[in-house]
Amino acid sequence: QQQVKQSPQSLIVQKGGIPIINCAYENTAFDYFPWYQQFPGKGPALLIAIRPDVSEKKEGRFTISFNKSAKQFSLHIMDSQPGDSATYFCAAKGGSNYKLTFGKGTLLTVNP
Amino acid sequence: DGGITQSPKYLFRKEGQNVTLSCEQNLNHDAMYWYRQDPGQGLRLIYYSQIVNDFQKGDIAEGYSVSREKKESFPLTVTSAQKNPTAFYLCASSTTGMNTEAFFGQGTRLTVV
Repeated sequence: QQQVKQSPQSLIVQKGGIPIINCAYENTAFDYFPWYQQFPGKGPALLIAIRPDVSEKKEGRFTISFNKSAKQFSLHIMDSQPGDSATYFCAAKGGSNYKLTFGKGTLLTVNP
Repeated sequence: DGGITQSPKYLFRKEGQNVTLSCEQNLNHDAMYWYRQDPGQGLRLIYYSQIVNDFQKGDIAEGYSVSREKKESFPLTVTSAQKNPTAFYLCASSTTGMNTEAFFGQGTRLTVV
């Protein structure tokens, strides 16, 4: 049972474009939604996270938009750069369960 | 530096052998996790542990075993019963509170030869 569905599986944009990655969840007990960035051969690293009491959070060029009623959240990367090329994972946790549930990841390629 | 150390970075296993992947953390985190990563499959949870001497199966525990004898250490053994062990293995740790960020190691790439 996949509790966090992530799309698209892969995404190619030109430098300066705004890639958008979407995630949807089913478990209404989820109350923490982080995004992780992973470069080839490395472990994932936390990029940005949001709780459902806010609808948007920005950190630098990265923005999370959150729609609690739709149980969806998305990552936007403003002015994307070739160095942003990586795999991005959304995740969720909440309730009495301390472990994260991950989406399947999105491979982002930003062309120069 | 604080963090999670996985070793070795690359590991080769012959058919029928058991191998053990090391994971050590000095973040004083209570929870530790093992994930398997295959292309297009995302991060699949193998085992996780909240306290010493206690651990739970994740989504794909068959063919794997773990121990948690010390808070800092959570080794994973890939047994000969694991039919397709070639993958990238990631160890992570976290606190067990709210807003729990998981910190990952750099991974071990296991190849069966």
